[in-house]
Order: sequence, then C-alpha cells, then structure tokens
Amino acid sequence: DAKTTQPTSMDCAEGRAANLPCNHSTISGNEYVYWYRQIHSQGPQYIIHGLKNNETNEMASLIITEDRKSSTLILPHATLRDTAVYYCIVRPRDDKIIFGKGTRLHILP
Amino acid sequence: GAVVSQHPSWVICKSGTSVKIECRSLDFQATTMFWYRQFPKQSLMLMATSNEGSKATYEQGVEKDKFLINHASLTLSTLTVTSAHPEDSSFYICSAKREGNQPQHFGDGTRLSIL
Repeated sequence: DAKTTQPTSMDCAEGRAANLPCNHSTISGNEYVYWYRQIHSQGPQYIIHGLKNNETNEMASLIITEDRKSSTLILPHATLRDTAVYYCIVRPRDDKIIFGKGTRLHILP
Repeated sequence: GAVVSQHPSWVICKSGTSVKIECRSLDFQATTMFWYRQFPKQSLMLMATSNEGSKATYEQGVEKDKFLINHASLTLSTLTVTSAHPEDSSFYICSAKREGNQPQHFGDGTRLSIL
C-alpha cells in the first residue's frame, strides 16, 4: 500500500527553488520521512531525512508540517543536474525502503 | 561519505547462463544489504533483504532458487541470477545500511541483458 502521495511530475526553472510536496497522512509516530532521487540510469541517491523537525544539509531542506502529515523537499537553487525522479519515503528507522512512483522533476533552462 | 560499489556495471550473456553481481560497502560495515530490480520506466522493486551470516529474506513473488543471495561478510553481498532468460533482463541495484539512524546508500546498479 502506498504510504505517500506525490505529484507525477513537476517543472522548475533553472536557478529557482524547487519545492517538491509529499503527503503522508497515515504516518506513524516512529516513522521517518526520507527523500531520495534517481538520475537516469543511476542508483538512487540519498538526499535528506527527518522525523519531525525541519532539516537542512548541503543538498536540500526538508520541511515537515507540525502534524507530520505532509512535507516539502526544497532544492534552493535548482540546476539542470537536479533533473531526476524524486522519491518521498516513510518508514521506521531500520526498515526496508519501498519505493513508490515518485515525482519526475524537470529543470528547465 | 558512505560508498556502495556494484560490479559489474553491465553484463550481456546468453540465455541459460548464470550471472553473479557483487555489492560492496566500501567504508562501513553493513549487516543488512538490499537488492532491487527496476524495469524501464518503472520504480525500483525490492527483491530481497540480505543479512550477514544468515539466509536472505525474499519479497513475495521473488523466486529464491532463481535469485541466490549470499552475504558472507559485513562488506559484501552477492546476487546470482541462475539460468538467466531474456525476461530476467533488468537493472539490478543494491543498497547497504549502517547500524543506527543512518540512511541506506545505493550502488550505481548493474544492467543485465540476456540474449
């Protein structure tokens, strides 16, 4: 069963912030929100994860709503190399990752 | 950062042969590794969970005698596709995870083509 809902695709202009939404209304208290991306013909790349606080690293920021039912991944200055399929995954800390269909992000020059 | 290496990157072989794919965690010990398969324009599908020193756990619908998994050390897991046929052609990807609150890291995948 899908635990997350993401838009099928999104476009973003190069240099602008890309905001990728994810709904996870059935998230449990012990489940984390993870974001991965897959660039064509490569293995998935870990981006960021969080439990309830907002998180930021060198790649992106993760904003989780107070009720934890949705989150947004923010790529602050998108480049053409950020074109990929982005996966939002909800799971307990040590559990296996089950991939949904993700969001296909197109960065437009 | 953590690095997971897969070998080979791609392989082409004849129908009926067996193919072994290696997955190594290069700078950390991984008690658990995962194997995925991805068909064109589809998402990754989890095949099995590989546990060091014990038998792998296979997902429903994945034939354990077809896809042999060995996790003999904390840094190496292998997937052997036995008696491969054209329908086994796919992109196979492994991942590894450290202990604790750490994310899984993925290899770059192995593209398998069976003629």
